Amino acid sequence: DAGVIQSPRHEVTEMGQEVTLRCKPISGHDYLFWYRQTMMRGLELLIYFNNNVPIDDSGMPEDRFSAKMPNASFSTLKIQPSEPRDSAVYFCASSLTGAVEKLFFGSGTQLSVL
Amino acid sequence: EDQVTQSPEALRLQEGESSSLNCSYTVSGLRGLFWYRQDPGKGPEFLFTLYSAGEEKEKERLKATLTKKESFLHITAPKPEDSATYLCAVLRRRDYQLIWGAGTKLIIKP
Repeated sequence: DAGVIQSPRHEVTEMGQEVTLRCKPISGHDYLFWYRQTMMRGLELLIYFNNNVPIDDSGMPEDRFSAKMPNASFSTLKIQPSEPRDSAVYFCASSLTGAVEKLFFGSGTQLSVL
Repeated sequence: EDQVTQSPEALRLQEGESSSLNCSYTVSGLRGLFWYRQDPGKGPEFLFTLYSAGEEKEKERLKATLTKKESFLHITAPKPEDSATYLCAVLRRRDYQLIWGAGTKLIIKP
């Protein structure tokens, strides 16, 4: 298995632009998580899905952030408009029911908003 | 407030020098405690799950232990390839949420 696949690996954009991050979870995993990691705040859960349905989005910082999971093999995290304080590494992770704490992370997207 | 605190923030050891990393937690209703390893430029990688006080898990040079208030990750005779950031997380029973520590950056010098 290729593991969790994220794209792009790096994204540099200007303030105000729309940014879309993509994730392909491990086949068969029914939980998908979006995390953000910064030096100051560590790992923060943004949102998670179970069977493609958003369960908890309380970690989404504000309305500029949105996430979708149109099918079991694809999810997106969109930021519109982006701001410099959104600069961080964004991780996608997936897991199985019964082992939700055993997360399989992708390699992340390093986002820089100038 | 539920909280996970890891210490030290960074630890430099010589190859072969054994030591321990600490993860202390205050969580109302602990479902489990987990250790992950994160290499630079990569996502965290799962290492261990501990569910009850007194439990121990081992993997190669690593051993994780759990008490009612903290967990230790013991590293025995480390090698340079053990250099990474080690993250601790606890699973809160009431909402099944993972609460993460800030991590300990471990550097093993040859």
